Amino acid sequence: EPEVTQTPSHQVTQMGQEVILRCVPISNHLYFYWYRQILGQKVEFLVSFYNNEISEKSEIFDDQFSVERPDGSNFTLKIRSTKLEDSAMYFCASQVNEQFFGPGTRLTVL
Amino acid sequence: AQKVTQAQTEISVVEKEDVTLDCVYETRDTTYYLFWYKQPPSGELVFLIRRNSFDEQNEISGRYSWNFQKSTSSFNFTITASQVVDSAVYFCALSEEGDFGNEKLTFGTGTRLTIIP
Repeated sequence: EPEVTQTPSHQVTQMGQEVILRCVPISNHLYFYWYRQILGQKVEFLVSFYNNEISEKSEIFDDQFSVERPDGSNFTLKIRSTKLEDSAMYFCASQVNEQFFGPGTRLTVL
Repeated sequence: AQKVTQAQTEISVVEKEDVTLDCVYETRDTTYYLFWYKQPPSGELVFLIRRNSFDEQNEISGRYSWNFQKSTSSFNFTITASQVVDSAVYFCALSEEGDFGNEKLTFGTGTRLTIIP
């Protein structure tokens, strides 16, 4: 069964460093998303991506964040200069009808 | 603005008991979608169901059933004959269709379900 994959599973970084989180969505899906979940809290929408551009973004998705689909298969989330409060689980999702989520990348900012 | 409320933060039941997880939502749209996801201790989000706002029929899938009532803006989830493997955090979510067909999900705060052997 096709699935969304994410790498790495866990990323540790120093505050101020750039990180790139990678996702491979399900191949025939058209819509792509990033969500985050701070430990013990609810899942929050960050951004949706369709037809090679952002279709919607939340207030959390400020200028420090960017997304890209560089090669038609990968879908990346870049955080330019990480802060302590960026520590969270980041989920990628792709959708035709329902959204299927990847296993997540746990980002720890020290 | 959309909102999803899961008033039950934690529930514990003994194995084989039935349990119902409550979900109440708010939206101004007439077309929307409701979801349930399971998050086991391993952390991934497992899709359980998607229901559109025009389909109020209850659904049953094995031990799982869902009761959608538009009149009370609720979409409750019942597990029958619970098992230890059902222990997880369960999230209810709501989406409205965006301008491009995308569906931004708004999640509730989740209900942590513990099944006691």
